[in-house]
Amino acid sequence: SQQGEEDPQALSIQEGENATMNCSYKTSINNLQWYRQNSGRGLVHLILIRSNEREKHSGRLRVTLDTSKKSSSLLITASRAADTASYFCAEDQFYFGTGTSLTVIP
Amino acid sequence: DVKVTQSSRYLVKRTGEKVFLECVQDMDHENMFWYRQDPGLGLRLIYFSYDVKMKEKGDIPEGYSVSREKKERFSLILESASTNQTSMYLCASSRQETQYFGPGTRLLVL
Repeated sequence: SQQGEEDPQALSIQEGENATMNCSYKTSINNLQWYRQNSGRGLVHLILIRSNEREKHSGRLRVTLDTSKKSSSLLITASRAADTASYFCAEDQFYFGTGTSLTVIP
Repeated sequence: DVKVTQSSRYLVKRTGEKVFLECVQDMDHENMFWYRQDPGLGLRLIYFSYDVKMKEKGDIPEGYSVSREKKERFSLILESASTNQTSMYLCASSRQETQYFGPGTRLLVL
């Protein structure tokens, strides 16, 4: 299986703090994507970073990619209670990690 | 906006029953996918399809089959449901790299 792993499995922070989630993957990739899942719902695409990119921003989201370490991180700045969800990375569209459950406490 | 719909949000079936999970997308996407999601295991790819009547096995195809007779519809079939197929099933579609997911079907096999 090419399934990657997110770290930590669960994260709890106060509103306004930053949240950082990490993803490690196993093979060479063309791109890596991050998705969000609210409880009991489908996944929603957040951001895509290509293998030749090192950093990408979208609103309060910042994604980094280190292909030498086969890892990526997702930073959510100034978190809000509405950011409470599970976050997944996906290698080359097919291979999803095990997810990080983020709780933002108001 | 892309819309992916799944036929049921919740489904309860008996062991040995044949189960059909339907997925429909309205954006003329070529690619469609079926995943199952289990606690601690994340999403695992069951089958995907690049075009009508085409299908490819994912990581865990055993016990499942699929059908894609029309571009907008991708069906997942459990030929003889077993208790270890109790799970959340997620359908997705894409044209390029980004997938659009349906709301999921939570299946309980008794």
